Amino acid sequence: QKEVEQNSGPLSVPEGAIASLNCTYSDRGSQSFFWYRQYSGKSPELIMFIYSNGDKEDGRFTAQLNKASQYVSLLIRDSQPSDSATYLCAVNPPGYSSASKIIFGSGTRLSIRP
Amino acid sequence: DTGVSQNPRHKITKRGQNVTFRCDPISEHNRLYWYRQTLGQGPEFLTYFQNEAQLEKSRLLSDRFSAERPKGSFSTLEIQRTEQGDSAMYLCASNTAELFFGEGSRLTVL
Repeated sequence: QKEVEQNSGPLSVPEGAIASLNCTYSDRGSQSFFWYRQYSGKSPELIMFIYSNGDKEDGRFTAQLNKASQYVSLLIRDSQPSDSATYLCAVNPPGYSSASKIIFGSGTRLSIRP
Repeated sequence: DTGVSQNPRHKITKRGQNVTFRCDPISEHNRLYWYRQTLGQGPEFLTYFQNEAQLEKSRLLSDRFSAERPKGSFSTLEIQRTEQGDSAMYLCASNTAELFFGEGSRLTVL
């Protein structure tokens, strides 16, 4: 079982709609969770991090964490064509601080259609 | 530019040759990471340093791979006797909190 699992997609969403990206992780002791965006041919860049159960909002982005279900999600409201990218879920393994080693999922490719 | 710098950006080599990549992290960052990414996959952790100390090396990393960070500044990643399976993007990242990635060094082994 992979440590971080994501549906590879592609996920196609019409412009202006809500895009919902999901991720599950295998190690119940993980404490810190991250969403990165990666445009084709570019390096990953951090969108959001979340440590506590519940929702965390930043602009059009909302991260949701459910530690009991070992589930992390990212919602993108009012999706724009510029949101088309691969979204990587990442997790700190247990025993590592949030400012150290993170493990990535394989990413979900998101396409926003005009 | 004060971001993470990697070079060379592209390297094409023949199987069996040695290659070395260099990473210059953001100057105040004491942690430095190497990841490898192949098409359609997320970055795979290889190793990381805190200052000059190599704190962890992935079990997936063969003995042909070695990384150094002398004096806790720039880092090098060397791959000896390259194989076609080593073809990938090698990403360097550094942080104090948020992880910042360089643009990567793409290796093609013929």
